[in-house]
Amino acid sequence: DTGVSQNPRHKITKRGQNVTFRCDPISEHNRLYWYRQTLGQGPEFLTYFQNEAQLEKSRLLSDRFSAERPKGSFSTLEIQRTEQGDSAMYLCASSLYTEAFFGQGTRLTVV
Amino acid sequence: AQRVTQPEKLLSVFKGAPVELKCNYSYSGSPELFWYVQYSRQRLQLLLRHISRESIKGFTADLNKGETSFHLKKPFAQEEDSAMYYCALNYRGSTLGRLYFGRGTQLTVWP
Repeated sequence: DTGVSQNPRHKITKRGQNVTFRCDPISEHNRLYWYRQTLGQGPEFLTYFQNEAQLEKSRLLSDRFSAERPKGSFSTLEIQRTEQGDSAMYLCASSLYTEAFFGQGTRLTVV
Repeated sequence: AQRVTQPEKLLSVFKGAPVELKCNYSYSGSPELFWYVQYSRQRLQLLLRHISRESIKGFTADLNKGETSFHLKKPFAQEEDSAMYYCALNYRGSTLGRLYFGRGTQLTVWP
């Protein structure tokens, strides 16, 4: 599968723990996005990278969230001190222009 | 603020019947509109975008700036069209590609 890859697919964690998700975009895509999707809602934008530069962050991205894209390749999204409200599907997408290709997501459950 | 509204959370039709999934947006500039589809257990994928003026899998969508709508239509629905459909908006001319999604419409096509 040469599409966008996300790991892990599922993560269950206890409240207060830190979690990290990984996204491997399509190799030639210079843009990478993180979205969050909760039940009954469409994806909500979290942050955007062009190559290794993080160019935009949503106000949804509190200071407990941090994202990186070292060397402009894969990206990681870390959530520190998880809260139950962080339970959601975290989607990664990559693009070359404006068509975004999505990964299958990481489903986070905070118990 | 930009907003995408999909008024129907659920939509059911019988096979062979016409189907229309509604999408309205609020944005004062020139938007770029998309329809994304998510089949069961699959990733979110692009169905069509208004600038392409194309028909994909029998679906079409016309941007109506007067009514600020981008409804998705198909004259004869098929069972394999059952899926979750998301309308999404991007700034026209934006190089960022950040998408604003509606909450989605779950389409069920009965045999």
